[in-house]
Amino acid sequence: EAGVAQSPRYKIIEKRQSVAFWCNPISGHATLYWYQQILGQGPKLLIQFQNNGVVDDSQLPKDRFSAERLKGVDSTLKIQPAKLEDSAVYLCASSPSRGGTDTQYFGPGTRLTVL
Amino acid sequence: SQKIEQNSEALNIQEGKTATLTCNYTNYSPAYLQWYRQDPGRGPVFLLLIRENEKEKRKERLKVTFDTTLKQSLFHITASQPADSATYLCALDDNYGQNFVFGPGTRLSVLP
Repeated sequence: EAGVAQSPRYKIIEKRQSVAFWCNPISGHATLYWYQQILGQGPKLLIQFQNNGVVDDSQLPKDRFSAERLKGVDSTLKIQPAKLEDSAVYLCASSPSRGGTDTQYFGPGTRLTVL
Repeated sequence: SQKIEQNSEALNIQEGKTATLTCNYTNYSPAYLQWYRQDPGRGPVFLLLIRENEKEKRKERLKVTFDTTLKQSLFHITASQPADSATYLCALDDNYGQNFVFGPGTRLSVLP
């Protein structure tokens, strides 16, 4: 079974530029998560999708971050414009359904550096 | 305010000893608590889940306890090996999947 795929693996941009990250979850997984992990900290949930609907986006900075999950499969996370404090690893995870007993399967992440 | 704390940023132990990592939480009422392992440059990998009505869970050399009165989970690795060196994250599910929160992690180093 293929794991969660993310691209690109690394991205370096100047502040105020835009960037987009892509995630392909494990086939058949209904729930998709985007996390931000700043160096030395645990992952912070940005947004959670159940199929193609948003379950929780309370910690997503909506003035600059947006995310979509078309057709309930792949997802993209966009930052526009980027700030220095957005430098972090962006992790995508998926799980078969929604709920705390579900194991989350994580992708390798995209390391973003904003200069 | 709500908070999750893990005992220390880094823990060094000798090979063969038991590593004990702690996870304390404040102002959460988790139904479940999970432990993940994260290696440098990789995403977290699920290890164990324990429910609020379970006191202890085991898997091979791993053991997790969950005390809802103390608001604490302990994660033990027995007969530790250098390959166990990684960052260990606790995560709790507050409100049945509506709010999934990770702790800051503890970086474990097992010295040969």
